[in-house]
Amino acid sequence: KAGVTQTPRYLIKTRGQQVTLSCSPISGHRSVSWYQQTPGQGLQFLFEYFSETQRNKGNFPGRFSGRQFSNSRSEMNVSTLELGDSALYLCASSFGQGGYTFGSGTRLTVV
Amino acid sequence: AQTVTQSQPEMSVQEAETVTLSCTYDTSESDYYLFWYKQPPSRQMILVIRQEAYKQQNATENRFSVNFQKAAKSFSLKISDSQLGDAAMYFCAYRSGNDYKLSFGAGTTVTVRA
Repeated sequence: KAGVTQTPRYLIKTRGQQVTLSCSPISGHRSVSWYQQTPGQGLQFLFEYFSETQRNKGNFPGRFSGRQFSNSRSEMNVSTLELGDSALYLCASSFGQGGYTFGSGTRLTVV
Repeated sequence: AQTVTQSQPEMSVQEAETVTLSCTYDTSESDYYLFWYKQPPSRQMILVIRQEAYKQQNATENRFSVNFQKAAKSFSLKISDSQLGDAAMYFCAYRSGNDYKLSFGAGTTVTVRA
């Protein structure tokens, strides 16, 4: 079965712009989580959605937001981009109490 | 807040040999899950092994096994018969039973020598 699909794979944006990243979970998975990975801070939790509801949110500024659609696909948006937002953004989907399956990530570079 | 500590930034192992990666965690909860993930240069995080805290038996997946010491809050990963394809960054992760987020350690880079 298809895995977790993240688009785009690479993105270059300018400071002050906004960006939207997309994640399509494994079919049947209703939980989608987002993580930011940087060399300095490692892997940090952004937020988690289940059935279109945000159940948990990490310690990130309000510029970071997300949503989930009725087909479980999720998007995350970052507004007013800063250089420090350059990172690998990983999406993961889950079914029940099982482990999380990750996508290949979106590499965002802010210049 | 839960913290996960991986004290070994890098480990090197000869092909066909065994390597053990350490992980400790801090929690006051009794219901939780522990994971080891592998991240090769392709960037995709791959689940290696999963352990439920209520299970005393250590999880095993082929050449990968864990040593789960609940009282010591230790969760080490043993890779047996190491292969070149095992070279990657390995992350230990914790998830509470009533939460939906993973807390990751800083990672250990494993190099396999031919």
